[in-house]
Amino acid sequence: DQQVKQNSPSLSVQEGRISILNCDYTNSMFDYFLWYKKYPAEGPTFLISISSIKDKNEDGRFTVFLNKSAKHLSLHIVPSQPGDSAVYFCAASGGTGNQFYFGTGTSLTVIP
Amino acid sequence: DAGVIQSPRHEVTEMGQEVTLRCKPISGHDYLFWYRQTMMRGLELLIYFNNNVPIDDSGMPEDRFSAKMPNASFSTLKIQPSEPRDSAVYFCASSTTWAEQFFGPGTRLTVL
Repeated sequence: DQQVKQNSPSLSVQEGRISILNCDYTNSMFDYFLWYKKYPAEGPTFLISISSIKDKNEDGRFTVFLNKSAKHLSLHIVPSQPGDSAVYFCAASGGTGNQFYFGTGTSLTVIP
Repeated sequence: DAGVIQSPRHEVTEMGQEVTLRCKPISGHDYLFWYRQTMMRGLELLIYFNNNVPIDDSGMPEDRFSAKMPNASFSTLKIQPSEPRDSAVYFCASSTTWAEQFFGPGTRLTVL
């Protein structure tokens, strides 16, 4: 049973606009969340993370929002650039030493 | 730094054969993770090591899978005997913190 779900397999956005990628989780014990980006034929690359004590974390063009009551997190990319075209995975964990759970990914295409 | 190194990059084998996947983590990283990626299930954590000691192997699908880390710079994931349903991309990742992992390029395994 998928504990971390990314219900949109793909997303297309115009260059310069905002990209919003969504992720839902089922386990209320998760307290650390991450986003990874993956290009074809490469391994995932860490992008940004957030602890459950926060509801927002920002790093340049990337912002992650966490809504614990809804068990939902989202990644905002603004402005979107063609180089952002990749598959984005969200991941969740109950903390150090606990299992990691990844979503199935959302393929983002940024159209020039 | 060369990053996480995995070999081989591609492996094609016949059902029933033994398969060994290799990983060299980034020097100084205390954690090593093995993942499997399939279309149906996405990225799944199979096993992880901390300071060369296996900590959690609850993600290993069955006894046909085994992993070792004889020293800080080398780990193997072995499948014996292999089956067609083991076909997937296998990633190795390492980290100094629990969460922000550096992934290798992956090994694409095809079992005929």
